[in-house]
Amino acid sequence: GAGVSQSPRYKVAKRGQDVALRCDPISGHVSLFWYQQALGQGPEFLTYFQNEAQLDKSGLPSDRFFAERPEGSVSTLKIQRTQQEDSAVYLCASSLTSGVGETQYFGPGTRLLVL
Amino acid sequence: GENVEQHPSTLSVQEGDSAVIKCTYSDSASNYFPWYKQELGKRPQLIIDIRSNVGEKKDQRIAVTLNKTAKHFSLHITETQPEDSAVYFCAARNMDSNYQLIWGAGTKLIIKP
Repeated sequence: GAGVSQSPRYKVAKRGQDVALRCDPISGHVSLFWYQQALGQGPEFLTYFQNEAQLDKSGLPSDRFFAERPEGSVSTLKIQRTQQEDSAVYLCASSLTSGVGETQYFGPGTRLLVL
Repeated sequence: GENVEQHPSTLSVQEGDSAVIKCTYSDSASNYFPWYKQELGKRPQLIIDIRSNVGEKKDQRIAVTLNKTAKHFSLHITETQPEDSAVYFCAARNMDSNYQLIWGAGTKLIIKP
């Protein structure tokens, strides 16, 4: 079946613009994660959804970052008033359940460049 | 909270030789340790994982070992091939939550022909 998809794949924004990044998880997957990956670094956790509930948003770097998953499937990560330090690859991952050791399947990422 | 350190940051080996990447973690209660492979411009993909109730796990040319006492785990790749060239990330489950992974900084593996 289809894997995790993300759109857009690339986004160039001017500083101060708002952006919205979309994630389509694997159908039926309960858990959805957002990560930020800076160049040459490992993914850094941003937020976690279990179905439509956002159980953890401790990784969001500022109140300019907002995520939602209103129907428990597609998720959107919104960044308001983008700054240059927001430039990174934003990865979405989903897993079937929230159990220990449940494999996280990643999307291709959205590469955000803020000028 | 959990902290994961990974070395080396870059590893260059001759095709056919073995490669070993090491990670250490800080929280002795961590119990799940996956390894991901990320090719340039592509998504991370799980290649192997291990839980704290076993010391070693093998899958063809790939193996992972875990030393709970020393709080370190290692990825071993034997008979390396050009397609093994990628960045490899280790991670550990953060025991403060039941889902969050804490990732190492990655190892760039280069296979020389």
